[in-house]
Amino acid sequence: EAGVAQSPRYKIIEKRQSVAFWCNPISGHATLYWYQQILGQGPKLLIQFQNNGVVDDSQLPKDRFSAERLKGVDSTLKIQPAKLEDSAVYLCASSAGRVTEAFFGQGTRLTVV
Amino acid sequence: GQQVMQIPQYQHVQEGEDFTTYCNSSTTLSNIQWYKQRPGGHPVFLIQLVKSGEVKKQKRLTFQFGEAKKNSSLHITATQTTDVGTYFCAGRPGGSYIPTFGRGTSLIVHP
Repeated sequence: EAGVAQSPRYKIIEKRQSVAFWCNPISGHATLYWYQQILGQGPKLLIQFQNNGVVDDSQLPKDRFSAERLKGVDSTLKIQPAKLEDSAVYLCASSAGRVTEAFFGQGTRLTVV
Repeated sequence: GQQVMQIPQYQHVQEGEDFTTYCNSSTTLSNIQWYKQRPGGHPVFLIQLVKSGEVKKQKRLTFQFGEAKKNSSLHITATQTTDVGTYFCAGRPGGSYIPTFGRGTSLIVHP
């Protein structure tokens, strides 16, 4: 089966610009996660969706980050405006259930200069 | 909020030596998952533990879940260069669907 698809793989932007990431989960997976992974750290959950509803977004900086999963399938994560500290790898993952194994995409490496 | 601590942060071993990483939670967990991330790669699921005192084995890897469901360990016997990577635990507090990842333990295997 196809894995979790993410694009773009790499992105370099200047601070205060905006950026968007796209994720297409494994077919049939109801749960979708967006993680931020800063170099040398573990993935930090930004938002978790169950179908098109938000399960948790308590760690999402809502003044600049937004995410949606309108049809309960693919999802976008947006940052506007970006800050230097947003430089990280943004990982999308999906799972069949809320507590089952998560399958990660290759990630998008964002560099804010 | 929930905290998941992993130690050590780094571990250098000679090929053939054993390796263990420990994961400790500030709260009781409903389950714990382990992932491996190769350098430049993405996390890949290894195993999930659910029951108190559970022990699972995958070839040279042994996973344990503590009796109090607040700690876990991953032990690798006779490491190989293919074991290189960062090992993360991810725990879910009881009654929550939200996973919290530890900082990870980076394993470096010297041939």
